[in-house]
Amino acid sequence: GENVEQHPSTLSVQEGDSAVIKCTYSDSASNYFPWYKQELGKGPQLIIDIRSNVGEKKDQRIAVTLNKTAKHFSLHITETQPEDSAVYFCAYGNNRLAFGKGNQVVVIP
Amino acid sequence: NAGVMQNPRHLVRRRGQEARLRCSPMKGHSHVYWYRQLPEEGLKFMVYLQKENIIDESGMPKERFSAEFPKEGPSILRIQQVVRGDSAAYFCASSPRLGLAGGPSEQYFGPGTRLTVT
Repeated sequence: GENVEQHPSTLSVQEGDSAVIKCTYSDSASNYFPWYKQELGKGPQLIIDIRSNVGEKKDQRIAVTLNKTAKHFSLHITETQPEDSAVYFCAYGNNRLAFGKGNQVVVIP
Repeated sequence: NAGVMQNPRHLVRRRGQEARLRCSPMKGHSHVYWYRQLPEEGLKFMVYLQKENIIDESGMPKERFSAEFPKEGPSILRIQQVVRGDSAAYFCASSPRLGLAGGPSEQYFGPGTRLTVT
């Protein structure tokens, strides 16, 4: 079945530093790996995604890397800002997405 | 372009009552997904629908839960005879027909319905 582990569970960083969150998944048949940001009381917001035919994708301060051999993918946030503070979820699948339990990222001003 | 809309945002039901959650997908999206989120947990897939079809309901409890996406109108998630364990946030997502090269497409989430069973 689909299983995804996400760590660390909580990450505190100084404003301006980088944050990295890593997820490990189990189902090698999946081709799609999105990352979501969820703020308190709101729905998950898609921030970046990657498909299995590429190893890295970048969008301004956010990047995602995928290692299909090792079955893990990571979210990288550079030059963190206070508004980056939120819970971040990794997910994977084809149509049915399996989600990690989330990482609480706290950016300290 | 309005995003995914869900209503109500908050719903309180007594044990044994029925809960109806509505989801209107983004304009142009024909695929709808329902997920459930317990406090401090990730989202759990429930069901995937296209217009008038249930494509994958592998995450739906066998009893009391049903979902539909009619030709006209919003998608409905219905929970009959609610119990306290049904208390959760229920999120709907929508996606366009297909992604790149026919692969999976991005899922965009609504704000959720927070169900409380008393």
